[in-house]
Amino acid sequence: DTGVSQDPRHKITKRGQNVTFRCDPISEHNRLYWYRQTLGQGPEFLTYFQNEAQLEKSRLLSDRFSAERPKGSFSTLEIQRTEQGDSAMYLCASSPGTGFDEQYFGPGTRLTVT
Amino acid sequence: DQQVKQNSPSLSVQEGRISILNCDYTNSMFDYFLWYKKYPAEGPTFLISISSIKDKNEDGRFTVFLNKSAKHLSLHIVPSQPGDSAVYFCAAKGGTYKYIFGTGTRLKVLA
Repeated sequence: DTGVSQDPRHKITKRGQNVTFRCDPISEHNRLYWYRQTLGQGPEFLTYFQNEAQLEKSRLLSDRFSAERPKGSFSTLEIQRTEQGDSAMYLCASSPGTGFDEQYFGPGTRLTVT
Repeated sequence: DQQVKQNSPSLSVQEGRISILNCDYTNSMFDYFLWYKKYPAEGPTFLISISSIKDKNEDGRFTVFLNKSAKHLSLHIVPSQPGDSAVYFCAAKGGTYKYIFGTGTRLKVLA
């Protein structure tokens, strides 16, 4: 078990560009979450997948954000027309999907929008 | 509306002594609580959890206490070690899939 992986670890982009992040969960974990974390704050929920179905999406996620989890395995988070306010750490987590299941986080992707 | 609050941004404790990290919540629907530890440049790591049907859960040096009437939980680390120096987040869940995290407390264990 190699844990949750995220790619890239760091991304610097210019305002207005599109970016895409990838998350590979722990194998056989049914649930996958995306969070955003800014300085001095805890992770803020963005969206949640049960297998390939996106079951919940935060109000924080504007129309510029979209997430997918094709085939219920890896997931991608795309931000279109990035803004400076999008600069943050984007965290992915997965969990087994049984009972009160703990989430296991990846190392995150740090996005800087210049 | 911050439903999960960690009012102490930082805490310093001498090695070998007890560290007590606190967390308050406002939503009585929360039924599961967790503590995570985070080192710089890493994602949060699960530490310990507690269901609302319990008031205490222990795992080695870590104990979580839950006071439902006060909507308060605490994490005790004893004895504290320098390697425990990290940011600690409490999180809560209830009725939905999502976890609500506090803002974190930075623990520094002094050797």
